[in-house]
Amino acid sequence: AQSVTQLGSHVSVSEGALVLLRCNYSSSVPPYLFWYVQYPNQGLQLLLKYTSAATLVKGINGFEAEFKKSETSFHLTKPSAHMSDAAEYFCAVSANDYKLSFGAGTTVTVRA
Amino acid sequence: NAGVTQTPKFQVLKTGQSMTLQCAQDMNHNSMYWYRQDPGMGLRLIYYSASEGTTDKGEVPNGYNVSRLNKREFSLRLESAAPSQTSVYFCASSENTASTDTQYFGPGTRLTVL
Repeated sequence: AQSVTQLGSHVSVSEGALVLLRCNYSSSVPPYLFWYVQYPNQGLQLLLKYTSAATLVKGINGFEAEFKKSETSFHLTKPSAHMSDAAEYFCAVSANDYKLSFGAGTTVTVRA
Repeated sequence: NAGVTQTPKFQVLKTGQSMTLQCAQDMNHNSMYWYRQDPGMGLRLIYYSASEGTTDKGEVPNGYNVSRLNKREFSLRLESAAPSQTSVYFCASSENTASTDTQYFGPGTRLTVL
């Protein structure tokens, strides 16, 4: 069985500041990891995914995440926050099959 | 190319009423899923369909039924709605059920059961 823990249900950053969203996973087999973003009143959109190729994964809108097996982490970062980054972000893990296990989500607020 | 579409967008039901949530995808995907989203709990899988003609239970199937009508459409039915089923429901699809396949989500249906 696999699971995901997202540290911090709310993160507030200033425009132009670093965005760091934390995700730790638990999996008995090598995992595949995903970050999704949900803008208000919309469905989830894939930001990036790790599928055992490069450990540093680049996604859309300037986001990237690094898979660290020793730390069982897949933290999401963006060097400079933009007002349009205000959204809820979900980390998810899958292992042997299609089943995606989602974290509880982190809501990002961007201050002008 | 609309991706994944869901109807209705909003619905209010009384306890005991029934309804069907509709989902369709135009990406020629084999696999489809129904999730519910509740505050602080992320998304939880209700049912999925690995391919046309098959359906299986997910994490929280009680109180729901599904039908994979054809390759494009996957509906979710609440036979006797309960307040605990107040939630946002998302349909998703993927090419197949491989662990690495990206799931594409619809815009959601916001359901309130009074």
